[in-house]
Amino acid sequence: DVKVTQSSRYLVKRTGEKVFLECVQDMDHENMFWYRQDPGLGLRLIYFSYDVKMKEKGDIPEGYSVSREKKERFSLILESASTNQTSMYLCASSSGTENEKLFFGSGTQLSVL
Amino acid sequence: RKEVEQDPGPFNVPEGATVAFNCTYSNSASQSFFWYRQDCRKEPKLLMSVYSSGNEDGRFTAQLNRASQYISLLIRDSKLSDSATYLCVVNENNFNKFYFGSGTKLNVKP
Repeated sequence: DVKVTQSSRYLVKRTGEKVFLECVQDMDHENMFWYRQDPGLGLRLIYFSYDVKMKEKGDIPEGYSVSREKKERFSLILESASTNQTSMYLCASSSGTENEKLFFGSGTQLSVL
Repeated sequence: RKEVEQDPGPFNVPEGATVAFNCTYSNSASQSFFWYRQDCRKEPKLLMSVYSSGNEDGRFTAQLNRASQYISLLIRDSKLSDSATYLCVVNENNFNKFYFGSGTKLNVKP
């Protein structure tokens, strides 16, 4: 089975802190994604990466950056956390082939105080 | 207009009932379709892919109607454990782009 692992299940940070969310997948997938999920808004794409060192902005990239130095690892960085970034963050990966589905990590519930 | 639309529900049904959800998508070039299940405060998990010919997995049946641009999920003999939010996911002609519906909430009651 594909395993996508997010480093923290719950995280509490203060406004202005730099926050790192880590995600690792073990299936040699080409594509990795970061989403945030908020009540009433569904899943929204922040960034995705289709190869090492390659990244593309999703629908809501403002206030975030990403890093993909190795194929299996995709990091989301909040340069200066703000209260409106309190959310559930979901990492996902896919092989990038036709009809391939998304596999999700267990999510990180981030609270910014 | 949203790429993928679902009725948010909730659908409140008794155990043993049959319930169906629909999901419409706006891009006729969409290639792949999926139903995911999401429990409260958990990650979405793949329930089933949806194929052109329709497919069945136990009590669950998924169908695709390309002409009308919708997919459906039918759950027969509902169990309490089926209570969850069901997300419709569509992948367009671009393997990096997945579009999510906002989810349909199902409550199965004793």
